[in-house]
Amino acid sequence: SYDLTQPPSVSVSPGQTASITCSGDKLGNKYACWYQQKPGQSPVLVIYQDTKRPSGIPERFSGSNSGNIATLTISGTQTMDEADYYCQAWDSSTALFGGGTKLTVL
Amino acid sequence: EVQLVQSGAQVKKPGESLKISCKGSGYSFTNNWIGWVRQMPGKGLEWMGIIYPGDSDTRYSPSFQGQVTISADKSISTAYVQWSSLKASDTAMYYCARRTGSMVRAVGSYYFDYWGQGTLVTVSS
Repeated sequence: SYDLTQPPSVSVSPGQTASITCSGDKLGNKYACWYQQKPGQSPVLVIYQDTKRPSGIPERFSGSNSGNIATLTISGTQTMDEADYYCQAWDSSTALFGGGTKLTVL
Repeated sequence: EVQLVQSGAQVKKPGESLKISCKGSGYSFTNNWIGWVRQMPGKGLEWMGIIYPGDSDTRYSPSFQGQVTISADKSISTAYVQWSSLKASDTAMYYCARRTGSMVRAVGSYYFDYWGQGTLVTVSS
């Protein structure tokens, strides 16, 4: 089966750049997207088609995908960005989620 | 405005049946797949399956095949997931989400752009 692997946690200081990775076999040959989930809330799409931002998502959120790794980058991280982040891709007709990364801003 | 509104929280006993719902509005319900996602307490997101309300074509995650039934009633723009015999391990938050996207350079670019508010299912004796 196809798996997506994320680090369980990432820490960043306010104003710095946070990078969250998602690894999978030849992931660069698929399209990745990313969701943000804050406690007690539903997930929110922050990146789709590797690099695109939905309307309303701040420009500090960006994405890339090449080789075996997709990366979500948050530039100038703010305290409001503290949340769980999940990568997601499709393998045939099956949706796959990474295990999630808890981003701590401190 | 696109909205997915899910049915309310449920408390059930092991062995009982349950059907929860997700009503779409603000878009053409028959034209987008609806997915279901489980989140167990303190855990990550797990994809359960997906249905195309236009013709009820349904795909299941291997982990959920045979464990749940996903259905839809396009006449009332509502998708469902049901259990015939709940277990304590079914205790979780369940989300529905609208799938959007297309084939891009012959590769599927699909994502869940709108999510319901979630339905908390608690199974306890």
